[in-house]
Amino acid sequence: KQEVTQIPAALSVPEGENLVLNCSFTDSAIYNLQWFRQDPGKGLTSLLLIQSSQREQTSGRLNASLDKSSGRSTLYIAASQPGDSATYLCAPRDSGYALNFGKGTSLLVTP
Amino acid sequence: NAGVTQTPKFQVLKTGQSMTLQCAQDMNHEYMSWYRQDPGMGLRLIHYSVGAGITDQGEVPNGYNVSRSTTEDFPLRLLSAAPSQTSVYFCASVRQGENEQFFGPGTRLTVL
Repeated sequence: KQEVTQIPAALSVPEGENLVLNCSFTDSAIYNLQWFRQDPGKGLTSLLLIQSSQREQTSGRLNASLDKSSGRSTLYIAASQPGDSATYLCAPRDSGYALNFGKGTSLLVTP
Repeated sequence: NAGVTQTPKFQVLKTGQSMTLQCAQDMNHEYMSWYRQDPGMGLRLIHYSVGAGITDQGEVPNGYNVSRSTTEDFPLRLLSAAPSQTSVYFCASVRQGENEQFFGPGTRLTVL
């Protein structure tokens, strides 16, 4: 069974900082990996998707990298803003369509 | 497109009651799935479907039934609700051959 760990569990930073969220997974035989954002009481919003053959993917201030062989992915957020405050979820996908979720990193960006 | 929709948003049940959580998508996605999210845990897969008439169990299927009579709809049924089923339930969908999965807004269920 795929085990997904996200570190840190919680993070509080002042506005403007660059930050890195870490995700590790135990089974490297993944099809792709998706990063989601979840605001309190809301659903999941897809941020980035990295195919297993890719090393990284970028969208605006967000950059996600994937090292499949070592079972790691990182989400880099540049110049953080208070609006980035949310929980970030990492979800590698196996050969079917099932996603395996970590517990998430709760991010607070203070003005 | 409305995307993935779920109803109701909130529901309170008494132990032993039954109910159906509705999920619908208008993107013609073949694959649909149900997850539950509990405090301190990652989302866990309950049931999934790869197309109309085909369903299968996920990681935590006990106490839940599903059916898929149309491509658009994938309801989740609780036949006899238990307090352990208090959770937030999310429905997701994706088109076969594509990669990005889309989630609904969730249903917050409390079983007393």
